[in-house]
Amino acid sequence: GIQVEQSPPDLILQEGANSTLRCNFSDSVNNLQWFHQNPWGQLINLFYIPSGTKQNGRLSATTVATERYSLLYISSSQTTDSGVYFCAVVWAGYGNKLVFGAGTILRVKS
Amino acid sequence: KAGVTQTPRYLIKTRGQQVTLSCSPISGHRSVSWYQQTPGQGLQFLFEYFSETQRNKGNFPGRFSGRQFSNSRSEMNVSTLELGDSALYLCASSMGPGALSGYTFGSGTRLTVV
Repeated sequence: GIQVEQSPPDLILQEGANSTLRCNFSDSVNNLQWFHQNPWGQLINLFYIPSGTKQNGRLSATTVATERYSLLYISSSQTTDSGVYFCAVVWAGYGNKLVFGAGTILRVKS
Repeated sequence: KAGVTQTPRYLIKTRGQQVTLSCSPISGHRSVSWYQQTPGQGLQFLFEYFSETQRNKGNFPGRFSGRQFSNSRSEMNVSTLELGDSALYLCASSMGPGALSGYTFGSGTRLTVV
């Protein structure tokens, strides 16, 4: 099956710093999403980005489908950005289900 | 518009019992998927329903089952609960199979089996 690898696994930042999270996937995908899991467990959709670049405030994401990776940029980080960030893909070979990476745990210190 | 609604939010059950979880998708969304999240296994796909039909199923034992109603609401059932079934169960809705506009998740049901 498809492999989804996220890096780094853990990241500690000082408030105001910038960061880049990476997601590598091992096969062609139909869909890619970035999620932020809040302390209560809900997965908040950040970006639906099977290809190209999108921006939403301090966050932006880029997916290069031909090279099978996606990047999530967080600028001017805030303590509320803390949590777990997941990359998930829909792989054509698996029907319509999301395959998740293991996540990046982000801690932003004030 | 209202998001994905999961009930109950928290549940404590005893081994051997069964449990039913509910998910109401975003209005207009016809596809509902279920995922299990545990510290050891991460987020794993359980099943997907579209138009009351199960379209895809993950690698879980037959104790895990689900259904979808004509109004797109979905339920999942776990019978003969085991301690290892303790997890966060997340429901996601999308407009249809393939989710060309992405998936939206509910707040989850946290199940504890004692």
